[in-house]
Amino acid sequence: QAQLEQSGTEVKRPGASVKVSCKASGFIFTNYHIHWVRQAPGQGLEWMGIFNPIGSRTTYAQKFQGRVTMTSDTSTRTVYMELNSLKSEDTAVYYCARALGAPDGFDIWGQGTMVTVSS
Amino acid sequence: DVVLTQSPLSLPVTLGQPASISCRTSQSLVYSAGNIYLNWFHQRPGQSPRRLIYEVSNRDSGVPDRFSGSGSVTDFTLKISRVEADDVGIYYCMLGTHWPPVYTFGQGTRLEIK
Repeated sequence: QAQLEQSGTEVKRPGASVKVSCKASGFIFTNYHIHWVRQAPGQGLEWMGIFNPIGSRTTYAQKFQGRVTMTSDTSTRTVYMELNSLKSEDTAVYYCARALGAPDGFDIWGQGTMVTVSS
Repeated sequence: DVVLTQSPLSLPVTLGQPASISCRTSQSLVYSAGNIYLNWFHQRPGQSPRRLIYEVSNRDSGVPDRFSGSGSVTDFTLKISRVEADDVGIYYCMLGTHWPPVYTFGQGTRLEIK
């Protein structure tokens, strides 16, 4: 069945970068957009951006522009989200999720990747 | 940017009783075919969110018919006809726009059993 498998827990120092992966299986990779959503401890859901495998087009939430990069490796059906200049406020669970296209909602989610930023 | 306001933020419910969550959007986003891309998600503690409802009133596969979505323009509602223990967690509404693609979540409503 369709699923998204994310990479494991990360611990980073302030100022560092983190790259989280999201591997798709069970569906036609190029038929869907992959979104990234994060959730700080005890907080709500925050949309970060969208990656379209066709043409590798991206749109990032204004809050993250200049600090986030979404890429893919089509051969392995994997999408990556890299966040730079990490701050303690970036400590969160990062989720990838798929959607048919904008503005469709997210029908499949990854299991989440915990990123802790601490000195 | 669109703002989604949920109410209540906390919802204690007795087992077997109905529950209702409101989601109000700061602007109307109706597309040419009349579609409104308003979604509802449920998140249990320690789990990923799961979509329950898409485009206002369509249930996702496997979602019990105790869950229903309704609304129009800027006012939307998620209803649970009879709350079960498995329904605890946080419910979020979410709205997407076509171009530029921007997605916004409500603050979340925590449902607990009384």
